[in-house]
Amino acid sequence: DVKVTQSSRYLVKRTGEKVFLECVQDMDHENMFWYRQDPGLGLRLIYFSYDVKMKEKGDIPEGYSVSREKKERFSLILESASTNQTSMYLCASSFPGGGPKNEQYFGPGTRLTVT
Amino acid sequence: AQSVTQLDSHVSVSEGTPVLLRCNYSSSYSPSLFWYVQHPNKGLQLLLKYTSAATLVKGINGFEAEFKKSETSFHLTKPSAHMSDAAEYFCVVRTLADRGSTLGRLYFGRGTQLTVWP
Repeated sequence: DVKVTQSSRYLVKRTGEKVFLECVQDMDHENMFWYRQDPGLGLRLIYFSYDVKMKEKGDIPEGYSVSREKKERFSLILESASTNQTSMYLCASSFPGGGPKNEQYFGPGTRLTVT
Repeated sequence: AQSVTQLDSHVSVSEGTPVLLRCNYSSSYSPSLFWYVQHPNKGLQLLLKYTSAATLVKGINGFEAEFKKSETSFHLTKPSAHMSDAAEYFCVVRTLADRGSTLGRLYFGRGTQLTVWP
C-alpha cells in the first residue's frame, strides 16, 4: 500500500515563527504536492515538485517555500507564520504524467493553527 | 483553462433515499475526472475515477458517476444513502499536461457536504 505520512497531525505556532511541515512517501514517486484546505474553498495547490531539487509554484505560493533534497521527502516552509496561514495542509504524491494509473495519494493532513 | 464547479455546497438526504452530487468541469484537454471523499478528521479517499474508458464509472461503497461530454458534467450518484455516507465530497479534474510539463496536476472543486438524516 502507498503510504504518505506527515510529521504532525496538529500544530500550534505563534505569529512570526518559522514553521516546517514534513511529508514522506514510500512509493518512489517522482511528483509531490502541497495543498491547503479551507472550508468552502476545497484544496488549493501551494507548490509541487517533479524531481529532487525541482519545484514549481502552484496557485497560492505567497508566504510559503518548499524543499526537496531527497526523492521521498518534501517539506513546506512558512518563513514567518501569519494567522491567515491557519489551515489544514495536505501532502500528496504520484508518478509523473496524466496516465490512468497515476493518481495522487494523500497524507492524513496537518492542522496548523497560528496564534 | 481547467476548473471544476460543484453546484451544491450542502446536500441533505434521508437514509435510504438517492444521492445526487453535481459537478461540472471545464478543461482544454481530454480530462480525467475523479471524486474524492473526506470523512470527518480523516484523509482524502478516492471514490472513483474516469480516464476515457467507459463513461459510467462505478466506485466504492455503491457510488457511481457518469461522464457526459456534451454537458461537461460528472455527477455522483448512489441509489440509497447510508448514514456512513455523511462526509465531504470533492470533484476533481486532471489534465494530461500543464505548462508544458506532463505533471497532470489536479484541480479541485470547493466541495459538497453531504448530510444523511436517519
